[in-house]
Amino acid sequence: QKEVEQDPGPLSVPEGAIVSLNCTYSNSAFQYFMWYRQYSRKGPELLMYTYSSGNKEDGRFTAQVDKSSKYISLFIRDSQPSDSATYLCAISNTGNQFYFGTGTSLTVIP
Amino acid sequence: DSGVTQTPKHLITATGQRVTLRCSPRSGDLSVYWYQQSLDQGLQFLIQYYNGEERAKGNILERFSAQQFPDLHSELNLSSLELGDSALYFCASSTSRGAGGYTFGSGTRLTVV
Repeated sequence: QKEVEQDPGPLSVPEGAIVSLNCTYSNSAFQYFMWYRQYSRKGPELLMYTYSSGNKEDGRFTAQVDKSSKYISLFIRDSQPSDSATYLCAISNTGNQFYFGTGTSLTVIP
Repeated sequence: DSGVTQTPKHLITATGQRVTLRCSPRSGDLSVYWYQQSLDQGLQFLIQYYNGEERAKGNILERFSAQQFPDLHSELNLSSLELGDSALYFCASSTSRGAGGYTFGSGTRLTVV
């Protein structure tokens, strides 16, 4: 069983929509969670970093962790065409070695 | 510019050869991480160095090795290359344990022919 599972999509939404991206993980010891955005096979760019459970908001982005369900989410409000990218979740129990999901491809249609 | 510098950006080499990928971490970051990204496997953790010492090891093949030098730059050495080693190789850096997340470089695209 993989440490983290992520639906690869692709996901296509109209501009202005709310996007929900999700990952599930297998080990309840995981407590560090990250979301990255990657454009066209360039280097991943850190969007959100959370420790333990709860929500974290940054502009149009909200990261949510549900440790009881071993489920993490990234919400994008008022999605823009520039949000079209692949979104990667990453989890860790130590903060050193992170396990990455395979990524969800998102297209926001103008 | 993320502050993490990787060279070269592209590399094409033949099977059986050896290559060296270089990474300069963001200023002030002591940890360097190497990841491999292929189309079917996603981002796979290879190895982490912290202030010159190996800290964590992932799915790194025996044909691959890495080191971090006193000036904190790191090199990933790939030898006896096979077609399946073709991938994007990313370096990332962080201040210490990765708390706060990593910063990735733009990657080296390796093509083995």
